[in-house]
Amino acid sequence: GAVVSQHPSRVICKSGTSVKIECRSLDFQATTMFWYRQFPKKSLMLMATSNEGSKATYEQGVEKDKFLINHASLTLSTLTVTSAHPEDSSFYICSARDRALAGELHNEQFFGPGTRLTVL
Amino acid sequence: GQNIDQPTEMTATEGAIVQINCTYQTSGFNGLFWYQQHAGEAPTFLSYNVLDGLEEKGRFSSFLSRSKGYSYLLLKELQMKDSASYLCAVRDPNRDDKIIFGKGTRLHILP
Repeated sequence: GAVVSQHPSRVICKSGTSVKIECRSLDFQATTMFWYRQFPKKSLMLMATSNEGSKATYEQGVEKDKFLINHASLTLSTLTVTSAHPEDSSFYICSARDRALAGELHNEQFFGPGTRLTVL
Repeated sequence: GQNIDQPTEMTATEGAIVQINCTYQTSGFNGLFWYQQHAGEAPTFLSYNVLDGLEEKGRFSSFLSRSKGYSYLLLKELQMKDSASYLCAVRDPNRDDKIIFGKGTRLHILP
């Protein structure tokens, strides 16, 4: 099946620093990548949708200047948490849609393993 | 808006059967997913229903009733590794590529 990787898997940083998380589709081209955030015992919340070569679309309440998304190619999207603060500590998960499956009814998203961010 | 309800926690015994229910209220309907998520890991896809009825896939089955806004995930022959959260999710009726997740049901399997 399709594989999505994320790097790093865990990161601990000081308050005020910026952290970059990479999301890669390893064996397929992704038309679209998604970034989610999940707080403990809460549901996954979509933060933004990233399309290759265009600006990301952010969900209501998500600050685009704080969470910078760059989708440089059909296999790579990055999320940068700028000036991170303790309240940004969370589990960040990306997912990707397979370009070859575009238009199919099913068209599931393939999730990466997640990145645990802890801001001290 | 869209709303998804599922029990917060359930407990079942190894070898038994468990049914996890999900109700949803959405402005339209465009498909329902079930995902499994182990603690600290990303969700993995289990099933997708868009038409009424039961979809069976090995030990797991998923049922949908669109008129009732209701789905369930049925897990048979429970194994200890089935201890996880099970997320009910719906496709946003206004946006094909967006999935809206419920809070998940944490399933504890007892030996």
